[in-house]
Amino acid sequence: DVKVTQSSRYLVKRTGEKVFLECVQDMDHENMFWYRQDPGLGLRLIYFSYDVKMKEKGDIPEGYSVSREKKERFSLILESASTNQTSMYLCASSLGVSLEAFFGQGTRLTVV
Amino acid sequence: AQKVTQAQTEISVVEKEDVTLDCVYETRDTTYYLFWYKQPPSGELVFLIRRNSFDEQNEISGRYSWNFQKSTSSFNFTITASQVVDSAVYFCALSEANFGNEKLTFGTGTRLTIIP
Repeated sequence: DVKVTQSSRYLVKRTGEKVFLECVQDMDHENMFWYRQDPGLGLRLIYFSYDVKMKEKGDIPEGYSVSREKKERFSLILESASTNQTSMYLCASSLGVSLEAFFGQGTRLTVV
Repeated sequence: AQKVTQAQTEISVVEKEDVTLDCVYETRDTTYYLFWYKQPPSGELVFLIRRNSFDEQNEISGRYSWNFQKSTSSFNFTITASQVVDSAVYFCALSEANFGNEKLTFGTGTRLTIIP
């Protein structure tokens, strides 16, 4: 069974903390994505990567960075967490643009 | 820039009624891919269908059907004889086939509630 695994289901962090969200896929997919999901706004793309060490900004990259040192792992980094980054974060992977993406279970991050 | 619009924020229908979810997209590319995903209350998005820009044939899978019309840039999703298990948030998505720009853009979703 294909798997995209996010390291935490729930996280609570303090304002100003550096936060790491980890995502691992076991399908040897080239493409990986980070989205945030907010009520009424749907899924908004933060960053994506189409190869190891490659990254591209999505629609809302401000306040975030990413790292992809290995094909199976894509990390989202909040350099200095703020309350407006409280959200559900979804990681996904796909073999290519023409194929379906597989999603992790999501990480609900609360910044207090 | 690519864009997906799902104008229906929430829909409620009584069980066994048919319901159509609308999706309108914008893209400058001639080659692109359209998707529908379902997000049940458990939260994990589930893939439903993929369609490429060169294939305008409608598709039916059980109670689900999809109507792709390039002339109106629409990719609508119909559930026939709805059931309570169809209650979920449904997302339409678009990807363009540009190397290095392989992002997948989602609409804002439609929350569908099936009333028993």
